[in-house]
Amino acid sequence: DIQMTQSPSTLSASVGDRVTITCRASQSITTWLAWYQQKPGKVPKLLIYAASTLQSGVPSRFSGSGSGTEFTLTINSLQPDDFATYYCQHYSTYSPVFGQGTKLEIK
Amino acid sequence: EEQLVESGGNVVRPGGSLRLSCAASGFIFDDYGMSWVRQAPGKGLEWVSNINWNGGITRYADSVKARVTISRDNAKNSLYLQMNNLEAEDTALYYCARHRNSGSSEAFDVWGQGTMVIVTS
Repeated sequence: DIQMTQSPSTLSASVGDRVTITCRASQSITTWLAWYQQKPGKVPKLLIYAASTLQSGVPSRFSGSGSGTEFTLTINSLQPDDFATYYCQHYSTYSPVFGQGTKLEIK
Repeated sequence: EEQLVESGGNVVRPGGSLRLSCAASGFIFDDYGMSWVRQAPGKGLEWVSNINWNGGITRYADSVKARVTISRDNAKNSLYLQMNNLEAEDTALYYCARHRNSGSSEAFDVWGQGTMVIVTS
């Protein structure tokens, strides 16, 4: 089975910073990758799919890149609303799998 | 408004059964594949099962295989998860989630609020 590993597990940053979260797959998944944002007590929200396509309504400060086994989520100019936990997900016919999550905290 | 509303969560003893339901509204239900995703208290997201638009293709996580059955009734705009032989490790908030298209391989663009399953003796 494919495993997804995110780093770091926790990230401290300030409003206005640019941050990058990495997600690595245990084998190539081409671009079958999504990113989600989840705030405490709230439902996950799709940010990016196909590794780099921004979901409708998501601010353009969010971007995704990568293919194969290494992917990144970048948030430019962090806003107070962006402090949350972020998950990557490989979606496939056989067994979709999430990364363990990256908690983005206010420094 | 596109909406998913789960129900059926409860407190149940180990070995018990539950049937979760997810009612869809605001979109053409049979245009989309669907999944169940769970989240144990304080933990991350875990995909449980998915089904394509017409129910012809279903998949399960190894952790629940042989104990759960996903199904859908497109006439009722509803998704179901029959859970049998429940274990303490099944304790979680169960979300239903819509795939971006009709297949089983897609990101999840609409999520319900979740229904809580607690397995305890």
